[in-house]
Amino acid sequence: NAGVMQNPRHLVRRRGQEARLRCSPMKGHSHVYWYRQLPEEGLKFMVYLQKENIIDESGMPKERFSAEFPKEGPSILRIQQVVRGDSAAYFCASSPQDGIQYFGAGTRLSVL
Amino acid sequence: TQLLEQSPQFLSIQEGENLTVYCNSSSVFSSLQWYRQEPGEGPVLLVTVVTGGEVKKLKRLTFQFGDARKDSSLHITAAQPGDTGLYLCAGAPNDYKLSFGAGTTVTVRA
Repeated sequence: NAGVMQNPRHLVRRRGQEARLRCSPMKGHSHVYWYRQLPEEGLKFMVYLQKENIIDESGMPKERFSAEFPKEGPSILRIQQVVRGDSAAYFCASSPQDGIQYFGAGTRLSVL
Repeated sequence: TQLLEQSPQFLSIQEGENLTVYCNSSSVFSSLQWYRQEPGEGPVLLVTVVTGGEVKKLKRLTFQFGDARKDSSLHITAAQPGDTGLYLCAGAPNDYKLSFGAGTTVTVRA
């Protein structure tokens, strides 16, 4: 996990609020991936980004979810109007070009 | 349905015993990764296997990639309480999009 920084580690939101999850990749990594881990399930791919580009968002719900990786600053996963079913652990991973993915410690989102 | 099936789902053994975790698929992978995840943390990469039939050792852990590159196993010799955790296999049949197994929760009792 060294190097991939996610914050916050825990996030509590009420239904209808917005959640913003941040991820700073390892130094030198230009590829960022977001995964979601639901209770009792494995990690599921959500989105793959490079700087200023969304490469593949096929695993991300069409509504309420968005992701960005700006030229400067961390990658952001944004969930609008959260619902209870969004409660999960969200993991970010980074890699060098076509390399092994290294994961952050995750953000645990709880929706009340 | 999971692309990668792991078994068993849970494994509880006494310190000093051996254990094996299996990861199976009907798909061929160019490589498979094994991760370990502890409660409240992210997956930590243990090993990547690339060549069919490959065997890699990491201290008391032995990883094997099947000849057909569809399956893999993790064997732990003389397990210790520090080996307790969730073991995940993962592969990317189409480059970057990692598919994970549901994981095997290993508990080693002192």
